Amino acid sequence: EADIYQTPRYLVIGTGKKITLECSQTMGHDKMYWYQQDPGMELHLIHYSYGVNSTEKGDLSSESTVSRIRTEHFPLTLESARPSHTSQYLCASRRDSNYGYTFGSGTRLTVV
Amino acid sequence: AQSVTQPDIHITVSEGASLELRCNYSYGATPYLFWYVQSPGQGLQLLLKYFSGDTLVQGIKGFEAEFKRSQSSFNLRKPSVHWSDAAEYFCAVGASYSGGGADGLTFGKGTHLIIQP
Repeated sequence: EADIYQTPRYLVIGTGKKITLECSQTMGHDKMYWYQQDPGMELHLIHYSYGVNSTEKGDLSSESTVSRIRTEHFPLTLESARPSHTSQYLCASRRDSNYGYTFGSGTRLTVV
Repeated sequence: AQSVTQPDIHITVSEGASLELRCNYSYGATPYLFWYVQSPGQGLQLLLKYFSGDTLVQGIKGFEAEFKRSQSSFNLRKPSVHWSDAAEYFCAVGASYSGGGADGLTFGKGTHLIIQP
């Protein structure tokens, strides 16, 4: 049973649209992360948060933005989607550095 | 900077045969090491992790991995694979500190496991 939820699972959207990918966890974890995974490729960290009102950019540059207004919620927003944003986006969380990461099922985004 | 190398992009194994997936890492301090499995169109499921202590780690689904500091390796093994093990396997290294900077995972490129009857 998943404790971290991502919606939608699949999204096809036109160029220029604004989209928000949702990520919620029920475990009370302070640390949350967004990874981007292109087909057949490894995952790259694009955003992370260590708690409410904390957001940082990850190793891979991304045009997306994130917010952390509540502990359990870590949405990712693209103000103007482009075909280059087509990818799978995976959200993860963990309690602290001594614990493993729990991943959501991902959102597969296609921009046409 | 930390990095992870999974030398095998694809591996084909017969059902019932043993399996070893290779993983080499580069990290300046004591690493936290993970193996994840990803089925098509799914998120990642944690198979096992190594933080410290016994270098042979047992995971779910009959998998185990051995941490060898001298070889900078964390290879994944299973004595007898099942058709349901066909998936993408990712090795990852994480920061062993909770200080400044990103403590997200650095992933290898993955190994695609094919099980033949």
